[in-house]
Amino acid sequence: DAGVIQSPRHEVTEMGQEVTLRCKPISGHNSLFWYRQTMMRGLELLIYFNNNVPIDDSGMPEDRFSAKMPNASFSTLKIQPSEPRDSAVYFCASSLAPQGRKYEQYFGPGTRLTVT
Amino acid sequence: EDQVTQSPEALRLQEGESSSLNCSYTVSGLRGLFWYRQDPGKGPEFLFTLYSAGEEKEKERLKATLTKKESFLHITAPKPEDSATYLCAVQARNSGGSNYKLTFGKGTLLTVNP
Repeated sequence: DAGVIQSPRHEVTEMGQEVTLRCKPISGHNSLFWYRQTMMRGLELLIYFNNNVPIDDSGMPEDRFSAKMPNASFSTLKIQPSEPRDSAVYFCASSLAPQGRKYEQYFGPGTRLTVT
Repeated sequence: EDQVTQSPEALRLQEGESSSLNCSYTVSGLRGLFWYRQDPGKGPEFLFTLYSAGEEKEKERLKATLTKKESFLHITAPKPEDSATYLCAVQARNSGGSNYKLTFGKGTLLTVNP
């Protein structure tokens, strides 16, 4: 399997611009997670989906952030408008939970976002 | 609220010098405790899941153990290629719904010198 695929790998944008991050989970996985990683706060869960339905979005910082999962093989995280404090590495992860008691999550390579 | 604290923040070892990393946690009913390895510029790589106190898992030079309050990642005779950040995470048992989120610690940066 190709693993979790994320694009783009790097994004540099100016404050106020819209940013869209993309994720393809591992085929057959039914849970998808978006995380943000910074030096100060570590890995933080933003939102997660189970069977394409958003279950917990309490980690989404504010209304500027939105996420969708239109089907089992694709998800987007959108920031509009972007701000310099959004600069971070954004990870997507997927999981087979709870089938076979397989709760571990598998992470993509991440998107490094820089907002100037 | 679930909490995970990892110590030390950074650890420098000589090749062959065994040591342990600590992960202390508080969670309202533990479903699982997870260890990940993260190399610079990459996503976390899954290592182990531990489900109950007393459980142990091994992989090459790594051995993870679990008690009711903490987990240890023991590194035996480490090599330079073991250098990475090691992350610990917990998943709470949810009485209802499909809540599988992980709460991560900030990690331990391990450097193994040749």
